[in-house]
Amino acid sequence: KAGVTQTPRYLIKTRGQQVTLSCSPISGHRSVSWYQQTPGQGLQFLFEYFSETQRNKGNFPGRFSGRQFSNSRSEMNVSTLELGDSALYLCASNTGVNTEAFFGQGTRLTVV
Amino acid sequence: DQQVKQNSPSLSVQEGRISILNCDYTNSMFDYFLWYKKYPAEGPTFLISISSIKDKNEDGRFTVFLNKSAKHLSLHIVPSQPGDSAVYFCAARVSGAGGTSYGKLTFGQGTILTVHP
Repeated sequence: KAGVTQTPRYLIKTRGQQVTLSCSPISGHRSVSWYQQTPGQGLQFLFEYFSETQRNKGNFPGRFSGRQFSNSRSEMNVSTLELGDSALYLCASNTGVNTEAFFGQGTRLTVV
Repeated sequence: DQQVKQNSPSLSVQEGRISILNCDYTNSMFDYFLWYKKYPAEGPTFLISISSIKDKNEDGRFTVFLNKSAKHLSLHIVPSQPGDSAVYFCAARVSGAGGTSYGKLTFGQGTILTVHP
C-alpha cells in the first residue's frame, strides 16, 4: 500500500508570490490534515479536510487555505508569501474515524 | 498556550539500556495520545498510541504509559538501539462527537534521543 505522497519535495518562492502544495493520502483514507513545522514553533496544525469539507482549522491567517477533491487528494495554498512562511509543510492522512495519522515526507518551502 | 509539553529537549542513553521519554498535557479533553519518531527533513513516523481508557500499551520494544490523574504519559524503549536516535514527538487528540476533532493533533516540542553504541 502506497504511503502519503507530497509534491513537490522542495520549493523556493519569492516574497509576495503564492504557492500550492499537493498531498495524496493513503488509499481509503478520507481525512487529510496539514501541519507546519518551524524551528521556533514546532509542529502546528493548519487544517483538516474530510469528505471535501474543512472539518477543523488552526490559528493561521486567511492567507493559508486548502481544499480536498472527491478522490481525497488535497491541496494547500499560501498567498502573498512572507519570509516567516518558510517551513516544512506536512500532510497526514487517516481513515477519519479515530485512528492513527500517517504523515508524508513533507514539502520544504523556502521564501526568499 | 502549550497544551502538550515535552520538558526534556534531549536525552542521551547507552545502547541496550532503557530510554524514557516524557510528555505532560494540560487539556483534560484529550483522550487519545500518540508518539511519533522523526528524522530531519522527513515526515513523522507513527510509533505507538494509547487511548485514555487504558493506562498501558505495548508494541515490541515500545511501551507507552498513561497517567490520567497526573496528565502525564511516557514512552519506554527497551532495549535502546543506535537506530532509535531521532526526535520523538508526543501528540494528543480530542475525539469529539461526530468526529469533528479526529484529524487535529496537538504536538509537543519534541525530545532529541541519542543512543550511543
